[in-house]
Amino acid sequence: AQSVTQLDSQVPVFEEAPVELRCNYSSSVSVYLFWYVQYPNQGLQLLLKYLSGSTLVKGINGFEAEFNKSQTSFHLRKPSVHISDTAEYFCAVTWNYGGSQGNLIFGKGTKLSVKP
Amino acid sequence: EPEVTQTPSHQVTQMGQEVILRCVPISNHLYFYWYRQILGQKVEFLVSFYNNEISEKSEIFDDQFSVERPDGSNFTLKIRSTKLEDSAMYFCASTVRGYGYTFGSGTRLTVV
Repeated sequence: AQSVTQLDSQVPVFEEAPVELRCNYSSSVSVYLFWYVQYPNQGLQLLLKYLSGSTLVKGINGFEAEFNKSQTSFHLRKPSVHISDTAEYFCAVTWNYGGSQGNLIFGKGTKLSVKP
Repeated sequence: EPEVTQTPSHQVTQMGQEVILRCVPISNHLYFYWYRQILGQKVEFLVSFYNNEISEKSEIFDDQFSVERPDGSNFTLKIRSTKLEDSAMYFCASTVRGYGYTFGSGTRLTVV
């Protein structure tokens, strides 16, 4: 069965520092990978996605993620964070086999707290 | 940019009452989903819907839950007899074959 592990439940960082939010997945078939952000009391907004092709994926708000198949990871990075990046970040995976569409499996989320 | 629209944004209901949560997916999307997020917990899959029928459902989606696409644009989630533990944020999502799920802003359901 597919699963997603976000190793850090909370990540505190200072403004303008770099950040990496870790995500590992488990799947026996090829996957699509996503990062979503949830600001307080709001819905889920897509940050970026990996479907195929280049393993380095760039998203909105200066975030990027790298798909590493051998390590089954899809870590999210930003070189310099802002106070406004304070939010909860969810890694999610779905799978594609024979054209079938799988549902999204989410990690437990990582709360990023950016301090001045 | 196209959006998934959910109404209402917040609903309070008494235990045992029926609720219907409404969603308008993006018009050219083919797959529709309901997820829920209990406060402080992760987002959980409830059900997926394709070609006017349920394609997959989780253990959470028991006989108290049902989904419907009554008119080709709305996609609804009904909870027949709400329990306290149904209190959560419910998200609707739609997609075209895994090319990016778009989520609505959610309905916060509070069962009292």
